[in-house]
Amino acid sequence: EADIYQTPRYLVIGTGKKITLECSQTMGHDKMYWYQQDPGMELHLIHYSYGVNSTEKGDLSSESTVSRIRTEHFPLTLESARPSHTSQYLCASSESPSGGYTFGSGTRLTVV
Amino acid sequence: KNQVEQSPQSLIILEGKNCTLQCNYTVSPFSNLRWYKQDTGRGPVSLTIMTFSENTKSNGRYTATLDADTKQSSLHITASQLSDSASYICVPGGPGRRALTFGSGTRLQVQP
Repeated sequence: EADIYQTPRYLVIGTGKKITLECSQTMGHDKMYWYQQDPGMELHLIHYSYGVNSTEKGDLSSESTVSRIRTEHFPLTLESARPSHTSQYLCASSESPSGGYTFGSGTRLTVV
Repeated sequence: KNQVEQSPQSLIILEGKNCTLQCNYTVSPFSNLRWYKQDTGRGPVSLTIMTFSENTKSNGRYTATLDADTKQSSLHITASQLSDSASYICVPGGPGRRALTFGSGTRLQVQP
């Protein structure tokens, strides 16, 4: 039973479109994360947040932006999608940075 | 530099057989180690967590071991099932880190 939800599950869009990937959790976790993953590869941290109004860039340079206006909500936005953004985007939350992470099911994004 | 090495990179076994996956890490500071299972196209799911003082932890057919002195861990899967086909990721954690690092893990394929 998922306590962290990502929508949409799959998304195919054209180049130049603006998109927002949604992520919500019901566990009251302060820490939330966005990872990007290509098939068979490691997860790359692209954004994280330690609480409301707190956001930081991760290890992998990304043209996306995030916001954290509410504890339960951590959306990711691409202002102008490009084919290089084609990937799987995984959202996670935790009670502490080194603790157990709960992941959403991911959004599989394809930019054509 | 914090590093995690898992072996083998990939493994094919027959249904019903046992297997053991290995993990060597050099993360510091270190406080716990988790094993995650990631099905294709899904987010990772936590299987076990061990603190630095624990040697073994079981979750059904999954048994993890930890040797904090040699910085080695293993995940043993007993009586494998087709549903065990997935990637298994070793994730060490510790204080002072902003987020966990998830490698590509060991890709296990269980064949009938």
